[in-house]
Amino acid sequence: GAVVSQHPSWVICKSGTSVKIECRSLDFQATTMFWYRQFPKQSLMLMATSNEGSKATYEQGVEKDKFLINHASLTLSTLTVTSAHPEDSSFYICSARDLREPYNEQFFGPGTRLTVL
Amino acid sequence: DAKTTQPNSMESNEEEPVHLPCNHSTISGTDYIHWYRQLPSQGPEYVIHGLTSNVNNRMASLAIAEDRKSSTLILHRATLRDAAVYYCILIQGYSTLTFGKGTMLLVSP
Repeated sequence: GAVVSQHPSWVICKSGTSVKIECRSLDFQATTMFWYRQFPKQSLMLMATSNEGSKATYEQGVEKDKFLINHASLTLSTLTVTSAHPEDSSFYICSARDLREPYNEQFFGPGTRLTVL
Repeated sequence: DAKTTQPNSMESNEEEPVHLPCNHSTISGTDYIHWYRQLPSQGPEYVIHGLTSNVNNRMASLAIAEDRKSSTLILHRATLRDAAVYYCILIQGYSTLTFGKGTMLLVSP
């Protein structure tokens, strides 16, 4: 199957700093990428949908000025957590949709664990 | 979006078959039934999907009730590596994957 990578796999930062997470589709072109957040013992919650070359669509309750999403190419989307605080500590997972697939399979990255001190 | 209902957790012994149920009584005619699973500290991975007919692949089998109001994911021989949270999700067209709580499968040696 198609491969989606994320970098970094984990990051620890101080409160008030910004952190950038990269999501790459390695062997396919993804016009649409998704960003999810998962708190311990909870399910994945969709944060935003990112379409290449256009602004991301954020889910209700997700601050677009805090979680900056850029999808500048068909293989790369970035999520920047600005002015991170301890409550932003979470497991961030991206996924991408492959246009070649005849059905709606989404490929997920391995996730990035963010810890804000 | 049509909702799904799954048991919170299930237990199995290694090398035994596992049947993971999913109820979706409000499913519409164009909803596909998808199963994903998430191993600990990893992103979800696709398992199988179907519309009306039963489906088999190298990972699992999907049995869909005739009225489509329920489905069952079948792992023919559970291994320790199958311990994960299994999500049953209904999708129309290119709609976004929305995850419920899923079923945590525990596999004992």
